[in-house]
Amino acid sequence: QQQVKQSPQSLIVQKGGISIINCAYENTAFDYFPWYQQFPGKGPALLIAIRPDVSEKKEGRFTISFNKSAKQFSLHIMDSQPGDSATYFCAATGGTASKLTFGTGTRLQVTL
Amino acid sequence: DVKVTQSSRYLVKRTGEKVFLECVQDMDHENMFWYRQDPGLGLRLIYFSYDVKMKEKGDIPEGYSVSREKKERFSLILESASTNQTSMYLCASSLDRYLTDTQYFGPGTRLTVL
Repeated sequence: QQQVKQSPQSLIVQKGGISIINCAYENTAFDYFPWYQQFPGKGPALLIAIRPDVSEKKEGRFTISFNKSAKQFSLHIMDSQPGDSATYFCAATGGTASKLTFGTGTRLQVTL
Repeated sequence: DVKVTQSSRYLVKRTGEKVFLECVQDMDHENMFWYRQDPGLGLRLIYFSYDVKMKEKGDIPEGYSVSREKKERFSLILESASTNQTSMYLCASSLDRYLTDTQYFGPGTRLTVL
């Protein structure tokens, strides 16, 4: 009930391409879905977040797409840059949950 | 800017030692968290605290304890370190007792238990 499944585990994208990371959740009470970005040697930092009242949220090159009926959400990075190389974590919470539940992480490498 | 600092970036300890990991935040945040990060397992919550002297168990509290004597400081204690506690430990804080509040993470402590 509390799991968040994230895929792929790793991703290699060429500069200028689109990076797509997917997450699926089970708990229908979840109503807040953030993405955190972690650079090597640093702690994760909030990148973008969405609530299920909208199907999409865009901030610059980063977009979250949300499909409530499928209980899935994804992060799209347009025009991927080498500086986007990092580990990305999706997360979810809501309802009676007392914590954020994180996905297992995706290591993104953007090549020149 | 919120700053969360952790006492050590790297730590090497021996099996059976008592280990203290310290975390300090400078933004008067109510909530503090301890996570461990392992490849393929993501971030797993060990303990969290909503107030001074208050603590709640997370997903994997076994083998750990915590202490929050002051609002800005949250300590993770490994009473008797074991090799399966070799991991990256991340501390985080958030402003309020709402799970939608942004969590601000420290840089992590990589602990190796030999």
